[in-house]
Amino acid sequence: QKEVEQDPGPLSVPEGAIVSLNCTYSNSAFQYFMWYRQYSRKGPELLMYTYSSGNKEDGRFTAQVDKSSKYISLFIRDSQPSDSATYLCAMSDDYKLSFGAGTTVTVRA
Amino acid sequence: ETGVTQTPRHLVMGMTNKKSLKCEQHLGHNAMYWYKQSAKKPLELMFVYNFKEQTENNSVPSRFSPECPNSSHLFLHLHTLQPEDSALYLCASSQDWTTDTQYFGPGTRLTVL
Repeated sequence: QKEVEQDPGPLSVPEGAIVSLNCTYSNSAFQYFMWYRQYSRKGPELLMYTYSSGNKEDGRFTAQVDKSSKYISLFIRDSQPSDSATYLCAMSDDYKLSFGAGTTVTVRA
Repeated sequence: ETGVTQTPRHLVMGMTNKKSLKCEQHLGHNAMYWYKQSAKKPLELMFVYNFKEQTENNSVPSRFSPECPNSSHLFLHLHTLQPEDSALYLCASSQDWTTDTQYFGPGTRLTVL
């Protein structure tokens, strides 16, 4: 079983739709949860960082963590074509960062 | 992308060639990382350096040889690679190796013929 599972997609949505991304994990020691965004031919950039279970909102982005279910989500409201990218979840247990495979999202104008 | 830079951005090499990838960070961080990114697979951590000392080597074949002369520079020396080594090689840095927030460079797209 992989430590972090993420559906690679691809996911295609119309502009203005809500994008819903998620990851599951098996290591209960993970305490820090991140979402990275990676545009084509670029390196990943940190989008959201959360520590505890619950929701964190930043503009059009909301990150959710449910430690009891070992499940994290990222929601993008009012999606724009500029949101087209690969989104990687990542999580840490203080020793190392483990990544999901990434979900490729295309927002159609 | 002035935080973490990588050169070259693209590299094509034969299996008998020797080449080097370079990474430089301008963030004042103490930890630097090499990752391999293959299509549809999670990022694979290869090496970690903290204050110029290697703290992790994730069972990487010896045909990959890292070098960290100071906290700002990281190299990955490549020798007798295999076609399956073709991938995007990403460099990252963080304040120290226990810090979760890593900043990535744009990567070097490597093709081994």
